[in-house]
Amino acid sequence: GAVVSQHPSWVICKSGTSVKIECRSLDFQATTMFWYRQFPKQSLMLMATSNEGSKATYEQGVEKDKFLINHASLTLSTLTVTSAHPEDSSFYICSAKDRNQNYGYTFGSGTRLTVV
Amino acid sequence: DAKTTQPPSMDCAEGRAANLPCNHSTISGNEYVYWYRQIHSQGPQYIIHGLKNNETNEMASLIITEDRKSSTLILPHATLRDTAVYYCIVRSPNTGNQFYFGTGTSLTVIP
Repeated sequence: GAVVSQHPSWVICKSGTSVKIECRSLDFQATTMFWYRQFPKQSLMLMATSNEGSKATYEQGVEKDKFLINHASLTLSTLTVTSAHPEDSSFYICSAKDRNQNYGYTFGSGTRLTVV
Repeated sequence: DAKTTQPPSMDCAEGRAANLPCNHSTISGNEYVYWYRQIHSQGPQYIIHGLKNNETNEMASLIITEDRKSSTLILPHATLRDTAVYYCIVRSPNTGNQFYFGTGTSLTVIP
């Protein structure tokens, strides 16, 4: 089945630094990938839609200059949290759709970001 | 996309069937019902989806009422590994392909 790999699985960074999270579709091509954020005991919140070869579409209230998304190939999207602050600490999850599958989307295993 | 309503939590005895309800009274004709689950600190996992007919796969069964305003996910023989948050999502294939998650049902399977 379709597999989405996320890296790193966890990261700790200092306030003010930037962190890059990678999302790869391992055995399929994904023209569209999605990035979610999840705070403890809350549901997943869609942050943005990442389209290969074009600019990402951000959900209302999500700062595009803070959360930089690059979808440079059909198998890789990256999310960079710039100038991270403790309030950015969260669980970040990506998902992608195998266009040859009809059943929906495959999710990565998530990245736990802690900003200290 | 139509809004869904799920009970916040449920318990189920190990080995028994777990029946998770979902209300989606404003569902429109072309919207599918999807179920995902999220085990603690992992990404969501696809379970099943359907439009109007009941569906079954190796993981679960999905029962959709005739008026499509509600559905039930059935895990026939719950195991401890089925403890997770279960999300019911109603989505049209024509809405930009996004999935929006509600609050889900936290299912605890009890030994």
